[in-house]
Amino acid sequence: KQEVTQIPAALSVPEGENLVLNCSFTDSAIYNLQWFRQDPGKGLTSLLLIQSSQREQTSGRLNASLDKSSGRSTLYIAASQPGDSATYLCAVRLGTSGSRLTFGEGTQLTVNP
Amino acid sequence: EAQVTQNPRYLITVTGKKLTVTCSQNMNHEYMSWYRQDPGLGLRQIYYSMNVEVTDKGDVPEGYKVSRKEKRNFPLILESPSPNQTSLYFCASSLWGGHGYNEQFFGPGTRLTVL
Repeated sequence: KQEVTQIPAALSVPEGENLVLNCSFTDSAIYNLQWFRQDPGKGLTSLLLIQSSQREQTSGRLNASLDKSSGRSTLYIAASQPGDSATYLCAVRLGTSGSRLTFGEGTQLTVNP
Repeated sequence: EAQVTQNPRYLITVTGKKLTVTCSQNMNHEYMSWYRQDPGLGLRQIYYSMNVEVTDKGDVPEGYKVSRKEKRNFPLILESPSPNQTSLYFCASSLWGGHGYNEQFFGPGTRLTVL
């Protein structure tokens, strides 16, 4: 069974710092990996999607990388802002059909002004 | 506006009283799915559907039913709710098939309390 782990569980940084969030998964036969953001009491907002054939994706200040062989993905946030404060979740879609989705428990990020 | 909608957003009910949470998407997505989110357990998949009349169990299907009679709708049915089904529920959709599995779009969530 696929397990997805996110480290750290919580992170507090001063505004302006560059930071890295980690996601690891046990089954390397993934279809794709998606990073989400969740604000308190709200739904999930998609940030970046990496297909299994890709190594990284970028959107603005965000960069996500994928290393299937080591079972890891990282989300890099450049020049963090207080508005980036949220919980960040990674989710892995499995295998050739990709019908099942497994989430990590998330990293709660606080960016202090 | 492309979106996934859920209703109701908040619901308080009592044990055993059947309820339905509706989910609708306007993006012509084939794939739809339900998740529940609980503290310490994260988001877990309940059921998913890869197209009309095609549904399958996720990781925690016990106590839930779904149906997919139309492409846009994917209701979640709790025939006899119990307190351990108190949770935050999310519906999601994405393209499937020849498009591959593109990004999933999530609804705003339904907070359910079963007394």
